[in-house]
Amino acid sequence: DQQVKQNSPSLSVQEGRISILNCDYTNSMFDYFLWYKKYPAEGPTFLISISSIKDKNEDGRFTVFLNKSAKHLSLHIVPSQPGDSAVYFCADNSGGSNYKLTFGKGTLLTVNP
Amino acid sequence: DSGVTQTPKHLITATGQRVTLRCSPRSGDLSVYWYQQSLDQGLQFLIQYYNGEERAKGNILERFSAQQFPDLHSELNLSSLELGDSALYFCASSVGHVGSLTGELFFGEGSRLTVL
Repeated sequence: DQQVKQNSPSLSVQEGRISILNCDYTNSMFDYFLWYKKYPAEGPTFLISISSIKDKNEDGRFTVFLNKSAKHLSLHIVPSQPGDSAVYFCADNSGGSNYKLTFGKGTLLTVNP
Repeated sequence: DSGVTQTPKHLITATGQRVTLRCSPRSGDLSVYWYQQSLDQGLQFLIQYYNGEERAKGNILERFSAQQFPDLHSELNLSSLELGDSALYFCASSVGHVGSLTGELFFGEGSRLTVL
């Protein structure tokens, strides 16, 4: 059974610096990994994804890196902004016509002005 | 606004009771998913429906059940409630056909259930 682990429950960075959020997985059978962001009192919102055939995907200030040999996924936010303060979840997509996502427990990012 | 509507937003009830949470997916989405977020836990997948049929099942308790209706809205029924059922329950929807490859889900704002 696929497990997605986010071992850091929280992270604090200064505005303008880089935020690096990490995620480890156990099963290599997947199509996509996704990152979601969640503000308090709101539902999670999709942020960025990466296909298993790639090792990097970039969207503005957000870049996701996939290290398949290490079974490791990371999200880089550069430069970090106070509005980025939220809980970030990584998730894996079981693929096919079943879009069940398996989520990690999340990392609370706090960006200090 | 994700386009996914969940009601009620907040619900307080007593142990042993039964509640129903409702979800309207985004227009055009055929798949509906239910997730549970308890304190200090990630989003736990409960169940998925696609066009009225159950498609995938996760760690859903036998006391819980769900269905998706012909108009594609879904309901999650929680019965014989226990204190540990207190959580945020999220509904999400997706296009749900083969053309969508990234698996992106659109989440509602959640229903916060408190069992006293």
